[in-house]
Amino acid sequence: DTGVSQNPRHKITKRGQNVTFRCDPISEHNRLYWYRQTLGQGPEFLTYFQNEAQLEKSRLLSDRFSAERPKGSFSTLEIQRTEQGDSAMYLCASNQLWVNAFFGQGTRLTVV
Amino acid sequence: AQRVTQPEKLLSVFKGAPVELKCNYSYSGSPELFWYVQYSRQRLQLLLRHISRESIKGFTADLNKGETSFHLKKPFAQEEDSAMYYCALSGGSSNTGKLIFGQGTTLQVKP
Repeated sequence: DTGVSQNPRHKITKRGQNVTFRCDPISEHNRLYWYRQTLGQGPEFLTYFQNEAQLEKSRLLSDRFSAERPKGSFSTLEIQRTEQGDSAMYLCASNQLWVNAFFGQGTRLTVV
Repeated sequence: AQRVTQPEKLLSVFKGAPVELKCNYSYSGSPELFWYVQYSRQRLQLLLRHISRESIKGFTADLNKGETSFHLKKPFAQEEDSAMYYCALSGGSSNTGKLIFGQGTTLQVKP
């Protein structure tokens, strides 16, 4: 599968713990996005990278959230001191200018 | 405010019946509109975008700027069309490509 890859697919963590997710975009795509999707809702934009630069962050991205994309390749999304409200599907997408966005299969986070 | 509204959470039709999934948007400017589909246990994928004006799997969507709508239509539904459908928009002077999604409509096609 040469599409967008996300790991892990599922993560169960205790409240207060830190978690980190990884996204590997399609190799030639310089743009990368993170979205969050809760039950019954559409995906909501979290943040956007062009190459290694994080160019936009949503207000949804609290101080407990941080994302990186070192060297403009893979990206990580870390959530510190997880809360039950963080339970959601975290989606990654990539594209390049004028090309459609391709989505990964997502990481489902459950905070217990 | 930028917003996409899909008024129906669930649309249930019989095989062979026409389908129309509604989408309305709020955006100041000229957005680009998309329909994404998610089949069971599969990732979100693009179905069609308004600028390409093509028909995919028999689906079409026309952008109506006067009514700010981008409804998805298919004349004869098939059982394999059963899925979750999301309308989305992208735009802005910076053209970051970020998508704003509606809440989604589940299409159920009964045999």
